[in-house]
Amino acid sequence: QVQLVQSGAEVKKPGASVKVSCKASGYTFTSYYMHWVRQAPGQGLEWMGIINPSSGTTSYAQKFQGRVTMTRDTSTSTVYMELSSLRSEDTAVYYCARVRDTIMANDAFDIWGQGTMVTVSS
Amino acid sequence: DIQMTQSPSSLSASVGDRVTITCRASQSISKYLNWYQQKPGKAPKLLIYAASSLQSGVPSKFSGSGSGTDFTLTISSLQPEDFATYYCQQSYSTPPTFGQGTKLEIK
Repeated sequence: QVQLVQSGAEVKKPGASVKVSCKASGYTFTSYYMHWVRQAPGQGLEWMGIINPSSGTTSYAQKFQGRVTMTRDTSTSTVYMELSSLRSEDTAVYYCARVRDTIMANDAFDIWGQGTMVTVSS
Repeated sequence: DIQMTQSPSSLSASVGDRVTITCRASQSISKYLNWYQQKPGKAPKLLIYAASSLQSGVPSKFSGSGSGTDFTLTISSLQPEDFATYYCQQSYSTPPTFGQGTKLEIK
């Protein structure tokens, strides 16, 4: 079945970096754009950026420009999101989410990873 | 960025009720509007895409309508499993943006 499986919870100190993985299965990895969305405790959903798994091309939310890097490994059907210079406000659940339509970069998100909790605390 | 505003922010209803949640965009987004359901500790689940298209596997008790700037999600005959938080999201332009959420609680 189509699924996205993310890496486990992380605890980081302020100023550190975190790298979250998202492994896709059950579909052609390179045919669907992948987005990253985060959710702080008790808060709403915040878009972070997008990667084209075929070309590796990325686009990031302005808020995260310079701190976020999204990459992919086509040999393992995995996308990665690395966030640097972590601060307490980055404490959140981070989700990868696949677009519904193969030709659309910006579309509804039909498949989500289970989420990765990242806690930033000294 | 396009701002998405949901109303109400919270809603109390009883099992068997029919409820409507509204989402308004700060500019026209045609029909590029999606609805999600999220339960505590879980990832969001896509219910409706393109304003009114039911995602595969989602019960027909969920329906969406609207275009331009004003959209609604209607849930008929509420069941205990429907009590959750609902989000709208625009996919008209980058960055995609979400409403602040509507928490549907049992009365």
